[in-house]
Amino acid sequence: GESVGLHLPTLSVQEGDNSIINCAYSNSASDYFIWYKQESGKGPQFIIDIRSNMDKRQGQRVTVLLNKTVKHLSLQIAATQPGDSAVYFCAETLNTGNQFYFGTGTSLTVIP
Amino acid sequence: DSGVTQTPKHLITATGQRVTLRCSPRSGDLSVYWYQQSLDQGLQFLIQYYNGEERAKGNILERFSAQQFPDLHSELNLSSLELGDSALYFCASSVEEDREQFFGPGTRLTVL
Repeated sequence: GESVGLHLPTLSVQEGDNSIINCAYSNSASDYFIWYKQESGKGPQFIIDIRSNMDKRQGQRVTVLLNKTVKHLSLQIAATQPGDSAVYFCAETLNTGNQFYFGTGTSLTVIP
Repeated sequence: DSGVTQTPKHLITATGQRVTLRCSPRSGDLSVYWYQQSLDQGLQFLIQYYNGEERAKGNILERFSAQQFPDLHSELNLSSLELGDSALYFCASSVEEDREQFFGPGTRLTVL
């Protein structure tokens, strides 16, 4: 029978361009956020995290921005490479840290 | 390689059966999380253990149970399996509860 999959937001970028992936989170009490990357057939891989007392955090080629006012998180990838093609998830948790809630993900395709 | 191991990698079974999935966390990590990832539900948190104690429950069915042993490895038991239980099951570990999680490669369960 026909299989039904998640309707993931998709983003296609040219190799070398910058990518911005957005995430709206649900709980204003969430205070810790993580971005994960999941390649086909693999488990999610940690990219970068940010706590609610920060607005911005930078890693290697990646930057996470947090806007608590509108409950919005974004992941910026500089100079996107073909190896960046994957599904990207944001995850939020309350200060207890016990439960992480994952967004549905965004599928990023890098065009060589 | 995240350092988290999961066995088996693939599991095919029939409806009504019971299976056990196993997870070994990264060395030194005390917290273990179980997630279910299916095509129509995304990544769903099931349950979390910290140093042998259950700390949080998410969308885990009563037919499912888990435990964390003194050596910190964890098992997820799925019983009275239904077709809808077919999914990828991920285990993740973290050194503390509000820290980044490292995911294993997952167990793909197929219920026929």
